[in-house]
Amino acid sequence: SQKIEQNSEALNIQEGKTATLTCNYTNYSPAYLQWYRQDPGRGPVFLLLIRENEKEKRKERLKVTFDTTLKQSLFHITASQPADSATYLCALTNAGKSTFGDGTTLTVKP
Amino acid sequence: DAGVIQSPRHEVTEMGQEVTLRCKPISGHNSLFWYRQTMMRGLELLIYFNNNVPIDDSGMPEDRFSAKMPNASFSTLKIQPSEPRDSAVYFCASSLGSLAGFNIQYFGAGTRLSVL
Repeated sequence: SQKIEQNSEALNIQEGKTATLTCNYTNYSPAYLQWYRQDPGRGPVFLLLIRENEKEKRKERLKVTFDTTLKQSLFHITASQPADSATYLCALTNAGKSTFGDGTTLTVKP
Repeated sequence: DAGVIQSPRHEVTEMGQEVTLRCKPISGHNSLFWYRQTMMRGLELLIYFNNNVPIDDSGMPEDRFSAKMPNASFSTLKIQPSEPRDSAVYFCASSLGSLAGFNIQYFGAGTRLSVL
């Protein structure tokens, strides 16, 4: 069966450091992968999308890599800020349907 | 645009009662998704529509759940009869895309359902 694993339920880092979140999957061939941010009491918000034939995507302080051989995506937040504290979800999509990971909760301490 | 609008924001009901959750997608979007989020199971896709037609309802847990999309601007998710294990946050999301293409989803604020 399809399985998506995101690294450790919680990640704590110091302000200014780079946060790296991992998304691993098995038994899945996604056409593309997305990362979303979710704050408490709110719905997920789209951040970045990367296609299966792309290796890396950047947007401001965010960077996503996608390795279809390793079946892994890495999500980096550079120069992290306390405002980056949230839960980050990866989603694998094929044929219009998305499957979400359980998320990693990031806390950036000042 | 006001984004995806869900109502009610909170619903408390007793076991056995019928519950109806409502969603207004972003105007012009052609796909609509219903999700359920719990601590134990995370964010699960229940059903999604494309151009008002249900495409995949394999995530609907059982016959007590039903969803409709009578037009492009409105969808409902109904639970009848409700059970305590249905307690969760239910999200509606919409997107503009094809079944073959990518779908950046825009989520509503969710409905927090508590079944006593």
